[in-house]
This record gives sequence, structure tokens and C-alpha cells, in this order.
Amino acid sequence: EPEVTQTPSHQVTQMGQEVILRCVPISNHLYFYWYRQILGQKVEFLVSFYNNEISEKSEIFDDQFSVERPDGSNFTLKIRSTKLEDSAMYFCASSEARGNVNIQYFGAGTRLSVL
Amino acid sequence: AQSVTQLDSHVSVSEGTPVLLRCNYSSSYSPSLFWYVQHPNKGLQLLLKYTSAATLVKGINGFEAEFKKSETSFHLTKPSAHMSDAAEYFCVVRGVGVTFGTGTKLQVIP
Repeated sequence: EPEVTQTPSHQVTQMGQEVILRCVPISNHLYFYWYRQILGQKVEFLVSFYNNEISEKSEIFDDQFSVERPDGSNFTLKIRSTKLEDSAMYFCASSEARGNVNIQYFGAGTRLSVL
Repeated sequence: AQSVTQLDSHVSVSEGTPVLLRCNYSSSYSPSLFWYVQHPNKGLQLLLKYTSAATLVKGINGFEAEFKKSETSFHLTKPSAHMSDAAEYFCVVRGVGVTFGTGTKLQVIP
């Protein structure tokens, strides 16, 4: 069964450093998403991406964050200058379509630890 | 405004007994509703979805959920719990954007 894959599974970085989290969505999917889950808290939507541009973003997704689809398969989340509070599990998801029949398939997540 | 309330943060059941995980929502639109499960150190797996077709939705692993518009609820049930059902369950609403509930941890006691 096709799945969304995320690498690395765990990323440790120093505060102030840039990190790039990588995702390979399901190959025929057109919509891509990033979510995060701070330990002990709920899953929060960050951003959605379609046709090489951001279609929706939350308040969390400020100028420190950016997303890119550098080639036909990868979808990345970059955090420019990490803060301690960026420590969280980051989930990538993809879906075939938007709207009410949208089903998002999630990757296993990347745990980001900012020291 | 859109919100999801999962009424129980923890539910504990004995193996073989029924499971009920409660979810209430509010949305200005006719939303789609989903239940996802997250096992330890794993990603989020879709259990089932409601998209305005049948109000009783059957999902994987014997789970089902009933959409009740009058009660704005979408509770998840299973007739008989299995040890492998122990996980965290998230109710999700899609109307304007996507909103996750805070999750319910299900413990299954042998």
C-alpha cells in the first residue's frame, strides 16, 4: 500500500540552526500538508500546499517557516532559525483532492528536538 | 468558528468489552469528520470518515462511528476491544481548514 514517508525520524539541532524536514508524499497526490504536535498537546495544522504554492496556513506558520517542493517527489518544511518551542513531532500528509472528500494520509512523523 | 471536543482524555476498558470514544464538534459549514488512530511512535492512520453519505460509517479494525447532526456528535465505537486497540484516537473536523481534537488515550486491560 502506498504511504507517506518522512525523514529523518528524529532530528536534533541547536537553537538558532536551520532544519529541513523531508517528506515524500504518495505519488499521485496533489495536496500536501504539514502539522505539528508538541509533546502532550493536540495536533496543529501548519500549512497546506497545492500547485507549487501555499493554499492555507495557520498563525503558527510565520516567517521562520517555509515549504517547498524542490522536485517531483519531495515536499520539505524548513525552519530558518529554530527555537526551543519548535521542539515537536512534525507530520507530513498528502491527499488526492481537496474539499469534503479529502482524505489525508499521514507519515510517521519527524521528532524535532531543539537544544 | 470550528471546534472539536473529545470529551475524555483517557478511556480504560477490559479486553472483549465495548469501546466508546466521544467526539462533539461545531462548524459553520457541513463538515467532513474523521477519526484517526496513533499508535506509539507511529504516524496517524485513518480509521474512518464521514462525508455526508450514510450517517453510520464503518471503518477498519471493526470500528464504526455515527454522525448525529442534532447532537453535533461523531462518537467512535467498537463492540469488543482488542489489546491492539490501545492507542491514542483523534477526532478531526474539516470544514474551514482542519481541526484536530485533543485526543483520547485508550487503554485496554487484559
